[in-house]
Amino acid sequence: AQSVSQHNHHVILSEAASLELGCNYSYGGTVNLFWYVQYPGQHLQLLLKYFSGDPLVKGIKGFEAEFIKSKFSFNLRKPSVQWSDTAEYFCAVRMDYGQNFVFGPGTRLSVLP
Amino acid sequence: GAGVSQSPSNKVTEKGKDVELRCDPISGHTALYWYRQSLGQGLEFLIYFQGNSAPDKSGLPSDRFSAERTGGSVSTLTIQRTQQEDSAVYLCASSSGAPSGSFGPGTRLTVL
Repeated sequence: AQSVSQHNHHVILSEAASLELGCNYSYGGTVNLFWYVQYPGQHLQLLLKYFSGDPLVKGIKGFEAEFIKSKFSFNLRKPSVQWSDTAEYFCAVRMDYGQNFVFGPGTRLSVLP
Repeated sequence: GAGVSQSPSNKVTEKGKDVELRCDPISGHTALYWYRQSLGQGLEFLIYFQGNSAPDKSGLPSDRFSAERTGGSVSTLTIQRTQQEDSAVYLCASSSGAPSGSFGPGTRLTVL
């Protein structure tokens, strides 16, 4: 079965530190890739998505992600995190158009002020 | 515009009772998904509706779980004879032709 893995369960950073959250998937075909964020007490929101074209995708709030097809990866990055970025981050993959999303287990990010 | 809405926001029930959870997707969205998020766990896919096609029920954990989508819009997730392990936040998402999902706020189910 297709799966999505996220490298870190919990990441703790100080403000202004750089962030990279890993995401890998197991599927050799065409994929659509997503990062969702869930702030404390709030529901899931789409952070950014990749369908095709430029593998470097810019999202909201200064986040970006890079699709590396050869590595089956879609890592999320932010050059300088803020306390308000404290949240849980979920990578999701849609293997073929019309199929459901497969989510990674999530990475909890704690940013210390 | 209005997003995905779910009701109730919280549901406390006794073990063995049946519960119904409702999802109102964004108008015009043809795809609707149900997921659940258990404490400390990731998101677990339950069921997926796409237009008039037969739903993908591959994620339903047991035959106590069922879902329907009436008129291609509102969906109801039913859990019969609830068990304590059913306690979770049940999330609904909908999407249009483009593959991205808008999530609802979830229903927190607590089975005592």
